[in-house]
Amino acid sequence: ILNVEQSPQSLHVQEGDSTNFTCSFPSSNFYALHWYRWETAKSPEALFVMTLNGDEKKKGRISATLNTKEGYSYLYIKGSQPEDSATYLCAYHTGGFKTIFGAGTRLFVKA
Amino acid sequence: DSGVTQTPKHLITATGQRVTLRCSPRSGDLSVYWYQQSLDQGLQFLIQYYNGEERAKGNILERFSAQQFPDLHSELNLSSLELGDSALYFCASSGGGQGLTDTQYFGPGTRLTVL
Repeated sequence: ILNVEQSPQSLHVQEGDSTNFTCSFPSSNFYALHWYRWETAKSPEALFVMTLNGDEKKKGRISATLNTKEGYSYLYIKGSQPEDSATYLCAYHTGGFKTIFGAGTRLFVKA
Repeated sequence: DSGVTQTPKHLITATGQRVTLRCSPRSGDLSVYWYQQSLDQGLQFLIQYYNGEERAKGNILERFSAQQFPDLHSELNLSSLELGDSALYFCASSGGGQGLTDTQYFGPGTRLTVL
């Protein structure tokens, strides 16, 4: 059974804190990993598409790394702002075109 | 605004009925994906079409079917509806050229309520 786990489930931080969360996935048959940002009452918004072991992607204060050999990806937010409050979702894609989403990490940033 | 449109926004129907959800991808995108988000299951991939052909299938029930038309819009048909089909149905689109390594752009979703 393919399982994608995200930790922690939720995170409360103060404005200005840096934070990171994890997406763990099966290391075999890896094809791609997507990170999404999902605000309440909106639709998921793509952050990164990661495909190669050792990939590092950055968009403003948000960055992500990928380790396909051990089956994990980290998402980092530097200097969190209240507008970063959202659910961060990862989606694992296998070579057989299966797509499995994690349950997400819910981030709350307090001003 | 992602450029992906979905209609209707909300749909309320009864058990046993059939409904059709519609998605128009971003201009130029060839791939369309359908997802279901229910309270107890999180986000689930249903099916992907690329340029009119089915490309990948996820957890799509036999009572559900989809198609992508020559103008690239897609429809998701849900039949013999059950209470458990109540969910938010998202459509996403991507350029399609790179398959699952393409960035996907999500529509606003259709909220289906089965009574």
